[in-house]
Amino acid sequence: DTAVSQTPKYLVTQMGNDKSIKCEQNLGHDTMYWYKQDSKKFLKIMFSYNNKELIINETVPNRFSPKSPDKAHLNLHINSLELGDSAVYFCASSSDRTLEPQHFGDGTRLSIL
Amino acid sequence: AQSVTQLDSQVPVFEEAPVELRCNYSSSVSVYLFWYVQYPNQGLQLLLKYLSGSTLVKGINGFEAEFNKSQTSFHLRKPSVHISDTAEYFCAVSEDTDKLIFGTGTRLQVFP
Repeated sequence: DTAVSQTPKYLVTQMGNDKSIKCEQNLGHDTMYWYKQDSKKFLKIMFSYNNKELIINETVPNRFSPKSPDKAHLNLHINSLELGDSAVYFCASSSDRTLEPQHFGDGTRLSIL
Repeated sequence: AQSVTQLDSQVPVFEEAPVELRCNYSSSVSVYLFWYVQYPNQGLQLLLKYLSGSTLVKGINGFEAEFNKSQTSFHLRKPSVHISDTAEYFCAVSEDTDKLIFGTGTRLQVFP
């Protein structure tokens, strides 16, 4: 069983479009995250939610809006896509805010044409 | 502020040879340290972690790391690598594990 699953795996779209990436975890974890990995493999946190509440909100354009309908899901909606948004987006989860390391999904590769 | 430096962007090594991947961090408080591995087209998997206690930490797949507070290092080692260890390795640090700060990664390439 997949612990953290993201859909879609690949997303190719044009500049200016709006798109969403979905994430679900079946681990019963309380905390979920979105990370962005750029073309140089650099990985940076974007958002963190704990029990549906926003905990971490890094310096991310407000075109990016996370939504957590319940603690097992954390979706990422992106408006007005730009070329610089091309990256791999990873969802992750953890059970304990203080000590538990994070479990990652396989990533969504977003390509903007 | 926390930061992580992985000095080697690529490490080529022959199969069955030992390997060390270097990681240095900076932080003004106690930290938690992690090593993750990323295989092609996959997400990250935790190899090992240091939270407290023994400074020598053993992880999965025969990897181990040693926390050295005086040198602010957390180098990853394996005594004998396999072709299947070819992957990207990331060191990460956290002061409260809500926010992992990742290094830029080291590409380990194992040759037959």
